[in-house]
Amino acid sequence: DTGVSQNPRHKITKRGQNVTFRCDPISEHNRLYWYRQTLGQGPEFLTYFQNEAQLEKSRLLSDRFSAERPKGSFSTLEIQRTEQGDSAMYLCASSPTGSTQYFGPGTRLTVL
Amino acid sequence: GQQLNQSPQSMFIQEGEDVSMNCTSSSIFNTWLWYKQDPGEGPVLLIALYKAGELTSNGRLTAQFGITRKDSFLNISASIPSDVGIYFCAGQTTRENAGGTSYGKLTFGQGTILTVHP
Repeated sequence: DTGVSQNPRHKITKRGQNVTFRCDPISEHNRLYWYRQTLGQGPEFLTYFQNEAQLEKSRLLSDRFSAERPKGSFSTLEIQRTEQGDSAMYLCASSPTGSTQYFGPGTRLTVL
Repeated sequence: GQQLNQSPQSMFIQEGEDVSMNCTSSSIFNTWLWYKQDPGEGPVLLIALYKAGELTSNGRLTAQFGITRKDSFLNISASIPSDVGIYFCAGQTTRENAGGTSYGKLTFGQGTILTVHP
C-alpha cells in the first residue's frame, strides 16, 4: 500500500498522560499536514511541514502539542498532559505540491 | 477566520436519484476540493477544482468552482448504496512567491451526511 499511513489507529489514554502519533506520508511528497476532527465536524488544520520545516501552526496547537518531521519524511505529533477535550480523530495528509492533499486513515484518540 | 457553510447537513434519498450539495464561503478561495469520508476512516479526495467557473467530472460526480470563488457544488448522478458517507467541501488559499505557487491549509465545511436507500 503506497498511501498515507498512520499509527496507531486507536489510542486510549488517561488524562494527564503523554501520547505520540506517527504519520508516514506518500513517498516523495514533501508537504505534510496535521488536522484534528471532532465528531460531527470537518477536519481542522493544526500544522504544516514542507520537508523538515514547520511552516505554519494553528492557534489550535497549544503549547501541549508539538509536531516534528526531523528528516523530511515521517512526522510525529505529541500531546503532553492530555485532557478530555483532546479526544478526537487526528488526521495526517501529504501532498506533492500542496494543491491536492491525500489523507491517511487517522488516529482515534480517547482520553478518559 | 474563514468559514464554510455546507448544505444540506443530511440527505436521505432512494437509489437511482441524483444528489446535489453545495458550499459557500465568506472569503475567496483559490482551490476547492471535495472529499468523501466513511466512518472511522480518513477523507478520500473525489474532485479538485483550480479555476473559477471550472466544471469537472469524475464518473458520476460533477463539481463546479463558482465564478465568485466563494462557492462550489457537487452533484452525484444515479446514486448507488456505496455512495453512503459524509461528503466534505474544502477551500484552499494560495500565495505566489519567488519559488512559485504556495498552497496552504484546507478549510473544511461541516459535511453532508448522505444516506441511500436501496
